[in-house]
Amino acid sequence: AQTVTQSQPEMSVQEAETVTLSCTYDTSESDYYLFWYKQPPSRQMILVIRQEAYKQQNATENRFSVNFQKAAKSFSLKISDSQLGDAAMYFCAYDMRFGAGTRLTVKP
Amino acid sequence: DSGVTQTPKHLITATGQRVTLRCSPRSGDLSVYWYQQSLDQGLQFLIQYYNGEERAKGNILERFSAQQFPDLHSELNLSSLELGDSALYFCASSRRDPDTQYFGPGTRLTVL
Repeated sequence: AQTVTQSQPEMSVQEAETVTLSCTYDTSESDYYLFWYKQPPSRQMILVIRQEAYKQQNATENRFSVNFQKAAKSFSLKISDSQLGDAAMYFCAYDMRFGAGTRLTVKP
Repeated sequence: DSGVTQTPKHLITATGQRVTLRCSPRSGDLSVYWYQQSLDQGLQFLIQYYNGEERAKGNILERFSAQQFPDLHSELNLSSLELGDSALYFCASSRRDPDTQYFGPGTRLTVL
């Protein structure tokens, strides 16, 4: 079965610091996409970043970057210079499968 | 704004009733996905359509059905509603399959 696992139900970070959210997945495919989505209290699902498996270079979007380890099937999200607006649920996704989410709290 | 629209935003109904949720994908997107999110839960994939044809099926109950119309909008029909069907229902769309999914704002269904 193809699954997505987020082992950290909750994480906390000080404003302006860096935090890393973990995700592992299982697939037998060689070419695929991986995603991180953010869900703030409004419940809107917002795309944060996308990684294409055939690309060795880790994706980066401003303060957000990933550490993609294809052999280990690991896909972690790093948030640099954390801001209060980053507080939200973060979901890792592969195909139509989503992890259980990590609730990120940002302390002022 | 993702460009995906969903109506209605909120829906309150009674057990045993039937409702229809509507989704309009982003312009040019051929694929539509439906997800269910119960309170404080992750997203459960229900069903995917691509250019009018069913492409993939997830944990969709037999009481639920969906279709995608020639203009590519989609409807999710929920019947014989139960209290446990209360949830946020998301529609997402993508240009191709697979591809990045862009989510609508969701329809919040409350079954009393």
